[in-house]
Amino acid sequence: AQKVTQAQTEISVVEKEDVTLDCVYETRDTTYYLFWYKQPPSGELVFLIRRNSFDEQNEISGRYSWNFQKSTSSFNFTITASQVVDSAVYFCALTLSSAGRRALTFGSGTRLQVQP
Amino acid sequence: SQTIHQWPATLVQPVGSPLSLECTVEGTSNPNLYWYRQAAGRGLQLLFYSVGIGQISSEVPQNLSASRPQDRQFILSSKKLLLSDSGFYLCAWRPRGRNTEAFFGQGTRLTVV
Repeated sequence: AQKVTQAQTEISVVEKEDVTLDCVYETRDTTYYLFWYKQPPSGELVFLIRRNSFDEQNEISGRYSWNFQKSTSSFNFTITASQVVDSAVYFCALTLSSAGRRALTFGSGTRLQVQP
Repeated sequence: SQTIHQWPATLVQPVGSPLSLECTVEGTSNPNLYWYRQAAGRGLQLLFYSVGIGQISSEVPQNLSASRPQDRQFILSSKKLLLSDSGFYLCAWRPRGRNTEAFFGQGTRLTVV
């Protein structure tokens, strides 16, 4: 069975600081997909990124960047120059490529508070 | 484009009362459908998933049930709510056979009193 661990329950930073959210996953499958979602106070889940297990290239999208390392089973998310609007709960998730329910397994989330 | 609708947005129900939450998806066919629950301050727990009409799989034993009477309709029910059923319920869908992200509804915040 697969598992996703987000050890940081809550992080508080001051605006313009950089912050990294950690995600460690466990699976025996060789083909899988990793995701990050943002949950603002309104509650809906906003998709941020998807990465498959064969693509270890880091990705940058504006102030967001993701570091995928299979050797350490980690998929960390960095926000550069954080802003108050980045305050939210962030979830890392994993799904397998094999047939079946294809449901996403989520970590417990990291609550990020960005202070002005 | 595809959209997912979930209602109601908020619900306050007494213990022992029934529950019915509805989710519909538009703009796609044969989706995989999911119900997740998020307890206060915690992560998302998968409750049910469905790969087709009338096909429901339960992930955890609980006081809830799910049904899929139509291809793009997914219903979460309970005959008698418990206090522990309080939480934030999210419906989601994924295209069948494709490894895309899951798309989530707006969620229903259920408080059992």
